[in-house]
Amino acid sequence: DTGVSQDPRHKITKRGQNVTFRCDPISEHNRLYWYRQTLGQGPEFLTYFQNEAQLEKSRLLSDRFSAERPKGSFSTLEIQRTEQGDSAMYLCASSSRGPEEAFFGQGTRLTVV
Amino acid sequence: AQRVTQPEKLLSVFKGAPVELKCNYSYSGSPELFWYVQYSRQRLQLLLRHISRESIKGFTADLNKGETSFHLKKPFAQEEDSAMYYCALRPGTYKYIFGTGTRLKVLA
Repeated sequence: DTGVSQDPRHKITKRGQNVTFRCDPISEHNRLYWYRQTLGQGPEFLTYFQNEAQLEKSRLLSDRFSAERPKGSFSTLEIQRTEQGDSAMYLCASSSRGPEEAFFGQGTRLTVV
Repeated sequence: AQRVTQPEKLLSVFKGAPVELKCNYSYSGSPELFWYVQYSRQRLQLLLRHISRESIKGFTADLNKGETSFHLKKPFAQEEDSAMYYCALRPGTYKYIFGTGTRLKVLA
C-alpha cells in the first residue's frame, strides 16, 4: 500500500500515560495534516505542516499535544498525560497541493482507560 | 460562526430510489464545499467538490448560496453507495470543517 500510513492502528493506554503516533505521508507530498474524530462526529482539524514547518495549530490542540515533522517527511503526534476525553480516531492526511487533494490514512484509534 | 450541518445521521433508501443527503453551512465568506465518503473499512476519500461541478459515481451537488446548502444527490441509488458521507467547508487555505456525517444505507 503506497498511501498514507499510520502506526499504530490501535492503541489502548491508561489515563496519565504518554502516547505517540506516527504518520508516513505519500512520499512526494510536502503538506501534512492531523485531524481527530470522536464518535458520532466528523473529523476536526488539529494541525498542518508544510514541509517541516508547523503553520497552523487548532485551539483543540492543548499544551498536552505536540506534533513534529522533522526533515519534512514523517510526522509524529504526541499526547502527554492522556485523559479519557482524548479517546478518538486520529487521522493523518497528506497532499502535494491544497487540501482538496489530500489523501487520508486509515487512522490510529486511541482508547484511554 | 463557521459550521457545517448534516441533519440526518442515517438515511435508508431502496436500490433504484433517488438519494438526497442534506448539507447546510454557515460561513460569511465565499465558501468552498466538498463531499467526502468513507466506505466500510476504507479511508476517508474525496467524492466531489463544488468548484468542479462534476458528477462522480452518479452523484452531483449544487451550491445554493441563497439557502446556504450543498446537498448531495443521485437519481438512482445502488447498493455500493452504502457508506458514510461527510460534507466539508474549507474556510482557509488548508483546513476543512466537517459535518457530523450521514450514513447512507441502500437496501436491496
